Amino acid sequence: AQSVTQPDIHITVSEGASLELRCNYSYGATPYLFWYVQSPGQGLQLLLKYFSGDTLVQGIKGFEAEFKRSQSSFNLRKPSVHWSDAAEYFCAVGANFGNEKLTFGTGTRLTIIP
Amino acid sequence: IAGITQAPTSQILAAGRRMTLRCTQDMRHNAMYWYRQDLGLGLRLIHYSNTAGTTGKGEVPDGYSVSRANTDDFPLTLASAVPSQTSVYFCASSVRSGSHEQFFGPGTRLTVL
Repeated sequence: AQSVTQPDIHITVSEGASLELRCNYSYGATPYLFWYVQSPGQGLQLLLKYFSGDTLVQGIKGFEAEFKRSQSSFNLRKPSVHWSDAAEYFCAVGANFGNEKLTFGTGTRLTIIP
Repeated sequence: IAGITQAPTSQILAAGRRMTLRCTQDMRHNAMYWYRQDLGLGLRLIHYSNTAGTTGKGEVPDGYSVSRANTDDFPLTLASAVPSQTSVYFCASSVRSGSHEQFFGPGTRLTVL
């Protein structure tokens, strides 16, 4: 069965600084990978996804993520964060066949300081 | 506006009471899901439905039931609520079953006293 780990529970970044949120997965084949964002009091919104092809994936709001098979990672990055990026971020992994459901990580809460 | 609606937005419930959380989508998605979100535990799948007329158990199904009489609606019922069911509940849908992009509702915050 697949699993996903987000090792950082909480990260604090200054506005304008760069950001990297870590995601490690466990899966026997090439996974489907997702990053979702949850603003306070809201549901989850898809930031980006990786199915195949180019390992560097561009998403909404200026985010990108890179799939590294050798490291079983799918880290989320943004070159310069804005105060509005403060939210909870979830990584999810799925299988590229069958009816396997997505498995979500426990999330990383991002705080932005002025 | 296309999307997923959930009702109620929040609810305080006495233990032992029956409660149904409603979820409706207008995207004609085949698959629907119910998750609970708890601090430090992320999202855990309660039940899912791959298509109308079918349902399945997720990671934490005990104490919950679902039905899928049509494509649009996927209610979640707590037959006899307990305090450990205090959580935020999210409904989601995807075009079809499997590991596809899921679209989420705004959530229902449930408190069981």
